[in-house]
Amino acid sequence: AQSVAQPEDQVNVAEGNPLTVKCTYSVSGNPYLFWYVQYPNRGLQFLLKYITGDNLVKGSYGFEAEFNKSQTSFHLKKPSALVSDSALYFCAVRGDSGNTPLVFGKGTRLSVIA
Amino acid sequence: EPEVTQTPSHQVTQMGQEVILRCVPISNHLYFYWYRQILGQKVEFLVSFYNNEISEKSEIFDDQFSVERPDGSNFTLKIRSTKLEDSAMYFCASSGTVWNQPQHFGDGTRLSIL
Repeated sequence: AQSVAQPEDQVNVAEGNPLTVKCTYSVSGNPYLFWYVQYPNRGLQFLLKYITGDNLVKGSYGFEAEFNKSQTSFHLKKPSALVSDSALYFCAVRGDSGNTPLVFGKGTRLSVIA
Repeated sequence: EPEVTQTPSHQVTQMGQEVILRCVPISNHLYFYWYRQILGQKVEFLVSFYNNEISEKSEIFDDQFSVERPDGSNFTLKIRSTKLEDSAMYFCASSGTVWNQPQHFGDGTRLSIL
């Protein structure tokens, strides 16, 4: 069965500092990995994905994520945080065998402090 | 940019009543999904739909739930006899012509069962 772990409920970072939001996963076969962001009273907004290829993927709003197969991780990063990055971040995974469901982590709330 | 739209934004219903949640996926998308998010909890997969039939469903999606694509644009989720525990945010999502493309989410319908 697929699963995603986001070990931190909350991450606090000062504006301008680098941020990392952690994600580890478990899946049969090759993973398809995604990060989504949720602002208050809004749906999930796609940030980036890893399907195959380079382990470092770049996405929207300056975010990037590094796929690490040996550690089964897909941490979200940004070199310089903005106050407007404050939101709820979800990591998600699906397997590569057909139209399997997207499984989400429980989310990490990021607070960027000015 | 094309969006997934959901109506209504908030639905209040008496327990035991039927509700229909409506979604208009992005127009050239072929894969459709419903998820729910109980307050403070993670996003849970309900059902996926492709080629006019259900392709996958979770154990949450029991006999009281059904989905339909009544015309070329709408995708609906029906809950026949609502229970208090059905109170949640319900998100519709769609993805493009290949199943592993990112899913795009609507802003959700908040369902409150009294």
